[in-house]
Order: sequence, then structure tokens, then C-alpha cells
Amino acid sequence: DTGVSQDPRHKITKRGQNVTFRCDPISEHNRLYWYRQTLGQGPEFLTYFQNEAQLEKSRLLSDRFSAERPKGSFSTLEIQRTEQGDSAMYLCASSLLNKRLNYGYTFGSGTRLTVV
Amino acid sequence: DQQVKQNSPSLSVQEGRISILNCDYTNSMFDYFLWYKKYPAEGPTFLISISSIKDKNEDGRFTVFLNKSAKHLSLHIVPSQPGDSAVYFCAAKRSGGTSYGKLTFGQGTILTVHP
Repeated sequence: DTGVSQDPRHKITKRGQNVTFRCDPISEHNRLYWYRQTLGQGPEFLTYFQNEAQLEKSRLLSDRFSAERPKGSFSTLEIQRTEQGDSAMYLCASSLLNKRLNYGYTFGSGTRLTVV
Repeated sequence: DQQVKQNSPSLSVQEGRISILNCDYTNSMFDYFLWYKKYPAEGPTFLISISSIKDKNEDGRFTVFLNKSAKHLSLHIVPSQPGDSAVYFCAAKRSGGTSYGKLTFGQGTILTVHP
């Protein structure tokens, strides 16, 4: 068990460029979440996958954002035409759909995006 | 609409003393509450949780108390250690329906434990 991996750890991009982040969850986890955290705030929910199905998207996820989880394994989050307001830490988390567990996610270390 | 609030941005405590971190929530549909700890450059790490059917849950030095009537929970760390210095997030969720395990987080409290 290598935990939740996110790549890259840091990304600096110019406004208007597209960026893509990758998340590799814990292998047996069928739930995958993306959250965004800005300075001084807690993580905010963006979207949720159960296996390969994207079951919920937050209103925070504008049309410029898209997420995929092909084959129910790794996930990607793409931001098109980045804006300075997109600068944040993007966190991925995974868990197992099992009511006997304590509902705690395992988070990755995040990808810090800076849009200049 | 901040449904989970941590009104103290920071807390400073002496090593060996008790640390008390507070959290308030407004959504009465929340029925499960969690605390996460976050070190710089790392993702949040699950610490302890409590179901709404309980008013206390203890795990080693960490105890979480839930007061449903006041919509308030607190995390007690006794005794506090310098390694506990981190940002602590309170989070809440509601079961069933289309919640899908989604967590709503507070803004976080920076805990500093001085040797």
C-alpha cells in the first residue's frame, strides 16, 4: 500500500493555459474524490467517482474543469483556460465503500497550482 | 454558506497541557464528524471521528466530544506534544441518499505546542 499519489506536486502555469493533474488512489479503493483548498480555508469538495462513474460534481466545478476516471483506477483533473482564481492546492482522496469503516478518507499530498 | 465553522484560526499551548479545538456546524442533517490533521506540504490525515449517536469518542491522547443540541464538537488532546503542531480541520458528513461520503470541512485551526 503506497497511499494516494498525486502528480505533479507543483505546477506553475500562465493564465489561459490548460493543465492536467493525475491521482493514483489506493488500489482497492473504489471511491475517489477531488477537493480544492485555498489559503486559510478547508478543503472544498469538487467531484466524486465510484469506480469509473462520476456521481457528483460541485457547483465549484465550472465548465472549464473536467475529471475522468477511466477503468475505475487513476483519475485526472483538467483545467482549461486557467485563471488566477484557480490557484490552489488540489487534493485527491480515496476510500472503500464499506459501512463498517470509519469513513476516513486517505488523502494524497496534493498538487499546488499557481497561475501567473 | 459556511456549514462547518472553526472560529479560532490559531491556538498556542504549552507542552504537557491540554489542547481544545472547537467546531460548530449548522446543518442538522450531518450525522458523522471527523477531525483531520495537516502538516505543511502534506495532505490531511484522518485523526478521529464520532457518530451522532454518541457524545464522546476516545483514542489515546485524543478525545472528541459532540453536543448535538448545541451543534458543537470539540477535540481534546491530552497531553499536548510538540509533534501535535499542525493545522486541524473539523469535517462533517451526512449518511445515505446522494451524499456519497462527501465531507464538508471547517477553515482549520493552527495548533502550536511549545516545548
